[in-house]
Amino acid sequence: GENVEQHPSTLSVQEGDSAVIKCTYSDSASNYFPWYKQELGKGPQLIIDIRSNVGEKKDQRIAVTLNKTAKHFSLHITETQPEDSAVYFCAAINNDMRFGAGTRLTVKP
Amino acid sequence: EPEVTQTPSHQVTQMGQEVILRCVPISNHLYFYWYRQILGQKVEFLVSFYNNEISEKSEIFDDQFSVERPDGSNFTLKIRSTKLEDSAMYFCASSLTPFGYTFGSGTRLTVV
Repeated sequence: GENVEQHPSTLSVQEGDSAVIKCTYSDSASNYFPWYKQELGKGPQLIIDIRSNVGEKKDQRIAVTLNKTAKHFSLHITETQPEDSAVYFCAAINNDMRFGAGTRLTVKP
Repeated sequence: EPEVTQTPSHQVTQMGQEVILRCVPISNHLYFYWYRQILGQKVEFLVSFYNNEISEKSEIFDDQFSVERPDGSNFTLKIRSTKLEDSAMYFCASSLTPFGYTFGSGTRLTVV
């Protein structure tokens, strides 16, 4: 089955800096890659996604890139704000969605 | 905005008891899922359900677990003979297509 690896497990940045979270996946048939933000006590919330026929997608301060050949995809958050602090999960879907282990992002004011 | 609703938000049960976790998916969604998250760990896939049957299940989803869609709106996860290690957050999700899942806020299950 699909195995998703995510790095780093924790990330601390100063407000205004950029944050990058990287994931790799194992199943070349996976064709959809969502990113979720999970705040304390809440369920994962979809923040951005990318399909396998797209190399990059941007939504305001958030962008995601996908390298299908290398089976890598990354989340980029620019101009980070304290409210971006949360746990971020990448995921890959072939038949079903499998998550990475999560990255705890802390944005220091 | 449509939501996936889960009840209860917190359930405490004695070891060995059966629990039923309830979910009301978004009304026009066709695909339904259960995930669990042990405290501080990753979100793990349990089972997916489509067209009134299980479409895929993980190695976690053994005979102790079952799912049901008893009517047009509810989707339940039953855990029989609960063990201490079943303590976790259980998330229900639904989607209209096999993508774009919407998650509920979860049920925290505590087995004592």
